[in-house]
Amino acid sequence: AQSVSQHNHHVILSEAASLELGCNYSYGGTVNLFWYVQYPGQHLQLLLKYFSGDPLVKGIKGFEAEFIKSKFSFNLRKPSVQWSDTAEYFCAVNARARGTYKYIFGTGTRLKVLA
Amino acid sequence: DTGVSQDPRHKITKRGQNVTFRCDPISEHNRLYWYRQTLGQGPEFLTYFQNEAQLEKSRLLSDRFSAERPKGSFSTLEIQRTEQGDSAMYLCASSLVSGSSYNSPLHFGNGTRLTVT
Repeated sequence: AQSVSQHNHHVILSEAASLELGCNYSYGGTVNLFWYVQYPGQHLQLLLKYFSGDPLVKGIKGFEAEFIKSKFSFNLRKPSVQWSDTAEYFCAVNARARGTYKYIFGTGTRLKVLA
Repeated sequence: DTGVSQDPRHKITKRGQNVTFRCDPISEHNRLYWYRQTLGQGPEFLTYFQNEAQLEKSRLLSDRFSAERPKGSFSTLEIQRTEQGDSAMYLCASSLVSGSSYNSPLHFGNGTRLTVT
């Protein structure tokens, strides 16, 4: 069965610090990978996605993620976080397995950025 | 893009009562998903539709849960004989896919928060 693991449940950083959030998935076939963000009081929004091609993908607000197939990983990074990045971040995988098109989400990482 | 809308935003009900939630997807989207989210967890897949056809239902979903999308537009999720363990945020999402494509991102609504007392 497909699964997604996010290793950091809570992260606290000061502004301007660098961010890396881990995401690993288990599925042997072709996958599409996503990072979603949920700001306080708002709905889940797409941050970035990987379908194919360049394994380093750039998203909104200066975020990027790198797909490393050999490690089954899709870590999210930002060189310098801002207070406004305080939010919960979810990694998700979409893999075609037995004709299914469902998306599996990780448990999320709650990021708090201190001003 | 008017976004995905869900109604109601909040629902408080007593154990044993039935509740129904509504989701209006982005108008041109043909796929519609229902997820459930509890505190400290990510969205948990419940079911999804392609147009009016319900294509998959989670094994975690008990028989008390039923979802419909009768005309391939809005969808309803009904929970019968609610239990306290049903308390959660119920999320709806939609996407547009065509041909063999299965990788369109999901667009989420704000969710319906259910509290069962």
